[in-house]
Amino acid sequence: DGGITQSPKYLFRKEGQNVTLSCEQNLNHDAMYWYRQDPGQGLRLIYYSQIVNDFQKGDIAEGYSVSREKKESFPLTVTSAQKNPTAFYLCASSMAGLYGYTFGSGTRLTVV
Amino acid sequence: GIQVEQSPPDLILQEGANSTLRCNFSDSVNNLQWFHQNPWGQLINLFYIPSGTKQNGRLSATTVATERYSLLYISSSQTTDSGVYFCAPETSGSRLTFGEGTQLTVNP
Repeated sequence: DGGITQSPKYLFRKEGQNVTLSCEQNLNHDAMYWYRQDPGQGLRLIYYSQIVNDFQKGDIAEGYSVSREKKESFPLTVTSAQKNPTAFYLCASSMAGLYGYTFGSGTRLTVV
Repeated sequence: GIQVEQSPPDLILQEGANSTLRCNFSDSVNNLQWFHQNPWGQLINLFYIPSGTKQNGRLSATTVATERYSLLYISSSQTTDSGVYFCAPETSGSRLTFGEGTQLTVNP
């Protein structure tokens, strides 16, 4: 079955630590995206990539970094510079102009 | 950037009732998507609708791009329809901007 896999489902981070969230898709989609969702709110765009080895900042990129070395993979690193990282992180992919986005099931990150 | 406003913010229905959710947006868009987020956080794409009307079972959506709004209709609502409904217009680079959502609760 084609889809997007995010791991882990739950992640706990200590103050000052970097953590990496995984996102893998087997839909052969060109574009991939990372969104952040805080309780009771909509989703906000962190980074997106329309092609391998290229990515752009979204609306809230500060304190985050990404890479796109393979079409299937778009990992997100939450760095120690992100002062309020506790949130629900969602990865998505799309084939531009067709069918819309497909989302993964998300990773809940908590700072302890 | 584009502003997205959804109404109502909260909606409580009895099973079997019909409802209309509205999405207003402030700028021209390439496309628009409606999503349902279930209580576990999973987002499901309901409609990909730049203009006109589409139907899928008990759900239908209409987008009037020239007037910058979209409507989502839910007929004969069921408890499984509960969750948050998001509207997300698409701008350059296939970027989606999400509204704050409508929290729907369907009671048995």
